[in-house]
Amino acid sequence: KAGVTQTPRYLIKTRGQQVTLSCSPISGHRSVSWYQQTPGQGLQFLFEYFSETQRNKGNFPGRFSGRQFSNSRSEMNVSTLELGDSALYLCASSPQAGWVTDTQYFGPGTRLTVL
Amino acid sequence: GQQVMQIPQYQHVQEGEDFTTYCNSSTTLSNIQWYKQRPGGHPVFLIQLVKSGEVKKQKRLTFQFGEAKKNSSLHITATQTTDVGTYFCAGRDSGGGADGLTFGKGTHLIIQP
Repeated sequence: KAGVTQTPRYLIKTRGQQVTLSCSPISGHRSVSWYQQTPGQGLQFLFEYFSETQRNKGNFPGRFSGRQFSNSRSEMNVSTLELGDSALYLCASSPQAGWVTDTQYFGPGTRLTVL
Repeated sequence: GQQVMQIPQYQHVQEGEDFTTYCNSSTTLSNIQWYKQRPGGHPVFLIQLVKSGEVKKQKRLTFQFGEAKKNSSLHITATQTTDVGTYFCAGRDSGGGADGLTFGKGTHLIIQP
């Protein structure tokens, strides 16, 4: 099976712009989670989706949003970018909802740089 | 919210020495998972522990889940250069997991040949 894919892999934006990142989970996986990874804060949970419904949301401002489509593909959007949003954004898929089985299969990530 | 503390932040060892990283949660966990991230890579799932007091082994790696399901450890015997990377623990609060999966900040394992 193909792994989790994320597009784009690298992105450079300027402050105030918005960005949309895409994630395609492993075939058959219905749960998608997003994480932000920075050297200072480590891996921080953004949101978790299962069957097109947001199940959990991390402690991030409303500028961060996401959605999941019927084919389980997911997108996350960050509006009004700030310098502090520069990070590696990781998507992970799981066969079922997180409270059933938590194994996360991570994609390669999107490296976002905000100038 | 739930917090997961992981120590040490960095560990330098000589090749062949043992290595241990510890994980402590502020709340009782439904399960604990361990991941490894190589430099420049993404986290890769190693194992999940579910039962109180559970111990699992994978070759030179031994994973333990505490009796109270609030702490865990990963022990590597006779480290090799291929063990280099950052080891993360991650857990979900047993009360429903509204915080999602919480990761520790990781232990960076540096091996000197």
